[in-house]
Amino acid sequence: GQSLEQPSEVTAVEGAIVQINCTYQTSGFYGLSWYQQHDGGAPTFLSYNGLDGLEETGRFSSFLSRSDSYGYLLLQELQMKDSASYFCAVRDIGNTGFQKLVFGTGTRLLVSP
Amino acid sequence: SAVISQKPSRDICQRGTSLTIQCQVDSQVTMMFWYRQQPGQSLTLIATANQGSEATYESGFVIDKFPISRPNLTFSTLTVSNMSPEDSSIYLCSAAGDGVSYEQYFGPGTRLTVT
Repeated sequence: GQSLEQPSEVTAVEGAIVQINCTYQTSGFYGLSWYQQHDGGAPTFLSYNGLDGLEETGRFSSFLSRSDSYGYLLLQELQMKDSASYFCAVRDIGNTGFQKLVFGTGTRLLVSP
Repeated sequence: SAVISQKPSRDICQRGTSLTIQCQVDSQVTMMFWYRQQPGQSLTLIATANQGSEATYESGFVIDKFPISRPNLTFSTLTVSNMSPEDSSIYLCSAAGDGVSYEQYFGPGTRLTVT
């Protein structure tokens, strides 16, 4: 089977740093992505790691260790607007021969003043 | 990038009926996907729809229940057939540019309630 585990909820205050972890067990692996979803909104792409190491995009960074089947999303200088759900997703190749995403359980981030 | 719209945005349907959800992308895309998401839960892939070929369904989803059309590179439909209350969910359309693209774009979703 396939599983991607995340903490269900994380709380932090404005200006702080928070790390959201993702451990995965999947039949195939072609990279790890992170998506943000505000309540009632569409998921939006944040970052992608195809190789081990750290990727930085503004206040957001993402890390991958393929040997540990582990990744994390790091959010710095938290703002109230960062309150949302965050999903890790493994990029796999489906029966069509094209990519598909398998999503993690999701982490709800609550940022307080 | 791609902007995706879905219609309807929400609907309330009687059990036993069917609903067709439309998904329009503002640019040509190779792959389109349909997901289901219960409020507060993760996204579950229903099927992948490539233009010119039959949709590929994930385990637990069948064509008779969720027929999909993909007539061209910018449009797809998902039908939820013979609905029951268990089908109440948010249905999301998604698209990716090509086989090696790692970014997927999502529509705003269709919130379906079956009574």
